[in-house]
Amino acid sequence: KQEVTQIPAALSVPEGENLVLNCSFTDSAIYNLQWFRQDPGKGLTSLLLIQSSQREQTSGRLNASLDKSSGRSTLYIAASQPGDSATYLCAVRRNDMRFGAGTRLTVKP
Amino acid sequence: NAGVTQTPKFQVLKTGQSMTLQCAQDMNHEYMSWYRQDPGMGLRLIHYSVGAGITDQGEVPNGYNVSRSTTEDFPLRLLSAAPSQTSVYFCASRPVQRTEAFFGQGTRLTVV
Repeated sequence: KQEVTQIPAALSVPEGENLVLNCSFTDSAIYNLQWFRQDPGKGLTSLLLIQSSQREQTSGRLNASLDKSSGRSTLYIAASQPGDSATYLCAVRRNDMRFGAGTRLTVKP
Repeated sequence: NAGVTQTPKFQVLKTGQSMTLQCAQDMNHEYMSWYRQDPGMGLRLIHYSVGAGITDQGEVPNGYNVSRSTTEDFPLRLLSAAPSQTSVYFCASRPVQRTEAFFGQGTRLTVV
């Protein structure tokens, strides 16, 4: 059974800092990995999707990497802003989508 | 383009009551699914459908029923609500196996 773990569970950083969120998974036989953002009381917003054949994807200040062989993905956020404060979820898909519990990020002004 | 629409946004039920959570998508996606989100546990798959007339169980299906009579709609039924079903429920859709999923805004359900 696929297990997805996100570390740390919570992270607080000052504005402007670069940061890395981690996601690990136990079964490397995946089709893709997707990073989401979730604001309190809201739904999930897709940030980046990495197919299993890809190593990384970039969107603006966000960069996600995927190392299937080691079962790891990272989400890099450059020059963090208070508006980046949210919970970040990673999910891996093969037959269905398995989620990590998320990292709650707070960026302090 | 409305995307994935869930109704209601909030609901309080008494133990033993039944209700249906609605999910509709206007993107002509074949695949639709229901998840529940509980504190500290991430999202867990309840049921999914790969097309009209086809449904299957996910990780936590007990206490829930689904049907898929049209491509657009995928309702989730709670037959006899229990306090353990207090959760936030999300519906998602996607076109094919390898592409990104789109989520609704969620339904916050409380069973008392």
